[in-house]
Amino acid sequence: EPEVTQTPSHQVTQMGQEVILRCVPISNHLYFYWYRQILGQKVEFLVSFYNNEISEKSEIFDDQFSVERPDGSNFTLKIRSTKLEDSAMYFCASFRLAGVTDTQYFGPGTRLTVL
Amino acid sequence: ELKVEQNPLFLSMQEGKNYTIYCNYSTTSDRLYWYRQDPGKSLESLFVLLSNGAVKQEGRLMASLDTKARLSTLHITAAVHDLSATYFCAVDIGSGSRLTFGEGTQLTVNP
Repeated sequence: EPEVTQTPSHQVTQMGQEVILRCVPISNHLYFYWYRQILGQKVEFLVSFYNNEISEKSEIFDDQFSVERPDGSNFTLKIRSTKLEDSAMYFCASFRLAGVTDTQYFGPGTRLTVL
Repeated sequence: ELKVEQNPLFLSMQEGKNYTIYCNYSTTSDRLYWYRQDPGKSLESLFVLLSNGAVKQEGRLMASLDTKARLSTLHITAAVHDLSATYFCAVDIGSGSRLTFGEGTQLTVNP
């Protein structure tokens, strides 16, 4: 069964460094998302992406964050200058098509630790 | 701002017992989702409820949606240890839009 994949599974970085988290959504899906989950807390929406542009973003998704779909398969989240409070699990999700009775499918996550 | 609230947040139950998790949301929506998360793992889709009165069942879990009351329930029948996990409900306001999650219910089923 097709699934969303993410790399790396765990990333450790120093405060102030840039990180890029990578995702390969399910191949026939058109909507892509990033969510994050701070340890022990609920899942929070960051950004959605459709038709090669951001369709929606939350207040968390400030100028330090950016997303890209550099080719036909990858979807990336970049954090330019990481802060301690960026430490969280980051989930990528994809969704097939509006109007279809389906759900968002989540990848396994990247655990980001900022020291 | 859409708010989604679950209760209880923590639930410890014995095997064989029944219980219900509640999910309330604050805005008009007829689209609600239930996910399961095991510790350190991703979110696994359990149910998609897309209309008022929708009821879906899978094994020992049954989910329902009342859009007038803005309430969904996840009912557990004759719990088994394998159901121990955190259960999240989530709401969106349109197909393809962001999911807003509840805080999660951490379920522990004791032998």
